[in-house]
Amino acid sequence: GENVEQHPSTLSVQEGDSAVIKCTYSDSASNYFPWYKQELGKGPQLIIDIRSNVGEKKDQRIAVTLNKTAKHFSLHITETQPEDSAVYFCAATPSNQFYFGTGTSLTVIP
Amino acid sequence: DTGVSQNPRHKITKRGQNVTFRCDPISEHNRLYWYRQTLGQGPEFLTYFQNEAQLEKSRLLSDRFSAERPKGSFSTLEIQRTEQGDSAMYLCASSLLMVNTEAFFGQGTRLTVV
Repeated sequence: GENVEQHPSTLSVQEGDSAVIKCTYSDSASNYFPWYKQELGKGPQLIIDIRSNVGEKKDQRIAVTLNKTAKHFSLHITETQPEDSAVYFCAATPSNQFYFGTGTSLTVIP
Repeated sequence: DTGVSQNPRHKITKRGQNVTFRCDPISEHNRLYWYRQTLGQGPEFLTYFQNEAQLEKSRLLSDRFSAERPKGSFSTLEIQRTEQGDSAMYLCASSLLMVNTEAFFGQGTRLTVV
């Protein structure tokens, strides 16, 4: 099955700085890559996604890049704010289920 | 509220008891997924339904676990003879019947087995 690795596991940034989270996947059949934000005690919330026919996608302060040849994709958050503090998960889907990374705990220091 | 709804939000049960969780997906969504999440880990796939048909089950889903979606709308996940290792957050998600489409998660049911 698909294996998704995510780095770093924890990340602290100063408010206003950028944060980058990286994921790799193993199954070349994966063609959809969502990112989820999870706050304590809540379910994951979809924040952005990218499909395999696109190399980059941006939504305000959030962007995602995909390199299918290298099998890696990244989440970029610019101008970070304290409310961005949460656990972020990447996922890859080669079939009908989502395979998740182990998460990155992001702390934005005011 | 038109999101995915899960009940109960929290469940504490004694080891050996049976528990049942309910998930109400977004109304027009054909696909429904169950995931399990333990502390510090990403969600792990348990099973998924396309309408009322259960199409895929993970090896994680032992014979103590059973899921149903009788009318293709809400779903239930039952755990029989609970064990302490079953303590986790059980997440439900739903999506449309399309390839590479977004899945939306509920708030989850936190199970604690004592």
